[in-house]
Amino acid sequence: NAGVTQTPKFQVLKTGQSMTLQCAQDMNHNSMYWYRQDPGMGLRLIYYSASEGTTDKGEVPNGYNVSRLNKREFSLRLESAAPSQTSVYFCASRGGVLNTEAFFGQGTRLTVV
Amino acid sequence: DQQVKQNSPSLSVQEGRISILNCDYTNSMFDYFLWYKKYPAEGPTFLISISSIKDKNEDGRFTVFLNKSAKHLSLHIVPSQPGDSAVYFCAASQGGKLIFGQGTELSVKP
Repeated sequence: NAGVTQTPKFQVLKTGQSMTLQCAQDMNHNSMYWYRQDPGMGLRLIYYSASEGTTDKGEVPNGYNVSRLNKREFSLRLESAAPSQTSVYFCASRGGVLNTEAFFGQGTRLTVV
Repeated sequence: DQQVKQNSPSLSVQEGRISILNCDYTNSMFDYFLWYKKYPAEGPTFLISISSIKDKNEDGRFTVFLNKSAKHLSLHIVPSQPGDSAVYFCAASQGGKLIFGQGTELSVKP
């Protein structure tokens, strides 16, 4: 079982470049999430999608956009990368019933120089 | 404003003793709480959860306690084992939103 798959695993960008982080889940989950992890800051919610066709801002949405392409896929786009967006990004998905656990991908380590 | 707070960045415990990790939250609308464990270079993995209508949930060596009046939850690990050494995150849910704390790094010494 693949679970939650994130691509790429590593990426280096120059300031001002754009890129899209991809996330796909094969568990037929309704909800999907994007987090960033920074030292001392824990996991901060960037955007989430409670169901296909909806997206909502999390705690730190500035500088990011998301697309819930279909039930399986939820992408995160950086239009103009900044050094402050250097982080480890995690995608997660959560089942049909809201009060269940979320499953995480392995993360994407992004460095913006 | 951080809605979910873990005020202890680190905790060191002797093998076989109890580990107690704490978490505070500010939003009384949270209705489900979870604990996750994370090893370096891996995604977080689910450990245990509790609904807001309960005050305790137990799963083997792990017990989560919820004090709604104090907006506080804790994770007890008994007995602690060296393999429990990891970063532990608490999380709180309201509808589709899932918010995490800053994490506590647990070190269990042999």
